[in-house]
Amino acid sequence: GENVEQHPSTLSVQEGDSAVIKCTYSDSASNYFPWYKQELGKGPQLIIDIRSNVGEKKDQRIAVTLNKTAKHFSLHITETQPEDSAVYFCAARGSSASKIIFGSGTRLSIRP
Amino acid sequence: DVKVTQSSRYLVKRTGEKVFLECVQDMDHENMFWYRQDPGLGLRLIYFSYDVKMKEKGDIPEGYSVSREKKERFSLILESASTNQTSMYLCASSPPGRGIGYEQYFGPGTRLTVT
Repeated sequence: GENVEQHPSTLSVQEGDSAVIKCTYSDSASNYFPWYKQELGKGPQLIIDIRSNVGEKKDQRIAVTLNKTAKHFSLHITETQPEDSAVYFCAARGSSASKIIFGSGTRLSIRP
Repeated sequence: DVKVTQSSRYLVKRTGEKVFLECVQDMDHENMFWYRQDPGLGLRLIYFSYDVKMKEKGDIPEGYSVSREKKERFSLILESASTNQTSMYLCASSPPGRGIGYEQYFGPGTRLTVT
């Protein structure tokens, strides 16, 4: 069935350094890839998304890249700050447009 | 701003009890979803609804049912709670459209413990 794998499960980086989270998906028909950030005690919130006709998208310190051939997509956070500490989920919309498949999550910690 | 509210942040129930989790959204969204979140498993879809009185099974519907009597309200029902249903439950809503991609807005979650 449809599956999204996410790595790493935990990530600790020094403040100011970059963080990269990687995901792979199984359904070659997937065409939409959102990233959600979940802060402590809150529900996930969309931070950036990319569609299959685009290879890269940036929004200030956040960027997402997509390699359709390899079925990989990644989240890049540059110049990390303490407020970037959270759990991040990648997701993919599969061949069924009615639902999104989520990855298992990455807990990102920013060290001062 | 879209607001999705859930009736309880924390809930403790006994095995065998019938449990109702309520979710309300204020943006007139057609689509509503119930997920459970468990460590290492991410978010798994239980049920979703495209319209009033309409429901579709997600990936893990066993042991759950749902009700959508009004557009703004989507309820998750555990007919007979079991300990393996201890989890964080997240409700979400999204605007209409079955085309390419739409943002889901999540509530803060209900942490349910079944003892």
